[in-house]
Amino acid sequence: DAKTTQPPSMDCAEGRAANLPCNHSTISGNEYVYWYRQIHSQGPQYIIHGLKNNETNEMASLIITEDRKSSTLILPHATLRDTAVYYCIVRVGDTPLVFGKGTRLSVIA
Amino acid sequence: GAVVSQHPSWVICKSGTSVKIECRSLDFQATTMFWYRQFPKQSLMLMATSNEGSKATYEQGVEKDKFLINHASLTLSTLTVTSAHPEDSSFYICSANAGATNTEAFFGQGTRLTVV
Repeated sequence: DAKTTQPPSMDCAEGRAANLPCNHSTISGNEYVYWYRQIHSQGPQYIIHGLKNNETNEMASLIITEDRKSSTLILPHATLRDTAVYYCIVRVGDTPLVFGKGTRLSVIA
Repeated sequence: GAVVSQHPSWVICKSGTSVKIECRSLDFQATTMFWYRQFPKQSLMLMATSNEGSKATYEQGVEKDKFLINHASLTLSTLTVTSAHPEDSSFYICSANAGATNTEAFFGQGTRLTVV
């Protein structure tokens, strides 16, 4: 079973920042937080991952709370192409990713 | 990022026939690949872990005799759906770990199977 909780859906205006929350209150010390997204009828796309420090790449920023019990994925300037289901997953080592229900993000023009 | 390719992208087959889906890592070697299934409006469900040179590990409730997995090389894993039935119609997706421990896994584009 997935160890994360996410809101089922969110809306975001195009050009604005999209902030997607995730709760992982039972995370273990060696588990990383991964974010993937899935656009309809495609395989999941990797976005970002981190252990305890905040991370940023060309796609997004990941903010992890100090107690590591929750995190937020930030898409700084959402576009229509960012409409997708976003999955927050905790994972240790090379174990398989276990998907929860994710958050359906709708970017609105 | 690393590339994982699946073939075919979609397939339609008759009930009772078998279908083979290929998953290839194009620019890296993968000792382990994972197979998932996704029904409409649902999340991805892990079916099995494919290990190069050894038997696959199946999740509870997944029939190993129905979903045959072969991982004969470091760049290729295959999933064969045997004696397919309409309820096997689904989106099948594979993934592989591309690098060192605690790095991202990459996914194929998925295969849409329709059994008629």
